[in-house]
Amino acid sequence: DGGITQSPKYLFRKEGQNVTLSCEQNLNHDAMYWYRQDPGQGLRLIYYSQIVNDFQKGDIAEGYSVSREKKESFPLTVTSAQKNPTAFYLCASTIAGQGGYGYTFGSGTRLTVV
Amino acid sequence: QQQVKQSPQSLIVQKGGIPIINCAYENTAFDYFPWYQQFPGKGPALLIAIRPDVSEKKEGRFTISFNKSAKQFSLHIMDSQPGDSATYFCAASSSARQLTFGSGTQLTVLP
Repeated sequence: DGGITQSPKYLFRKEGQNVTLSCEQNLNHDAMYWYRQDPGQGLRLIYYSQIVNDFQKGDIAEGYSVSREKKESFPLTVTSAQKNPTAFYLCASTIAGQGGYGYTFGSGTRLTVV
Repeated sequence: QQQVKQSPQSLIVQKGGIPIINCAYENTAFDYFPWYQQFPGKGPALLIAIRPDVSEKKEGRFTISFNKSAKQFSLHIMDSQPGDSATYFCAASSSARQLTFGSGTQLTVLP
């Protein structure tokens, strides 16, 4: 079955730590996205990538970093510079150049600062 | 210009009722308007979508109404069921651009 796999499902971070969230897809999609979800605020775009080895900042990129070394993978690192990282993080993918059509989402990672 | 405004933030209806969720946009370049359904702890899943060349689209109990001149679109859920209780997001995009999401509506359907 094709889809997007996010791991881990739950993640706990201590103050000052960097943590990396995994996103892998086997849909042969070119474009991949990271969104942050907070209650009452919808989905806010963190970073996106249309092609391997290239990515762009979204609306709330500060304190986050990404890489896109393989078409299938788009990991997100939440750095210690992100002061309020507790949130639900969603990864999505689609065929590049089709705009919003055909988005597929993963099941999310819930990150909590302890 | 990229915003999509969604209301209400939460909605409670009785089983069999018809909840209506509204969205408004400003960017006239938007040409694709999907609705997503999200259950707790899961990612959003596409429910139904419309393009601006039609004013209404139905899929099962779900209907999108689209008013291009008013730059508004809405989701109606006919004969709502407790299993429809979820968070609903509207979204919009223009060609080759990523989706812009509304803030979400938490729907509760009482048995």
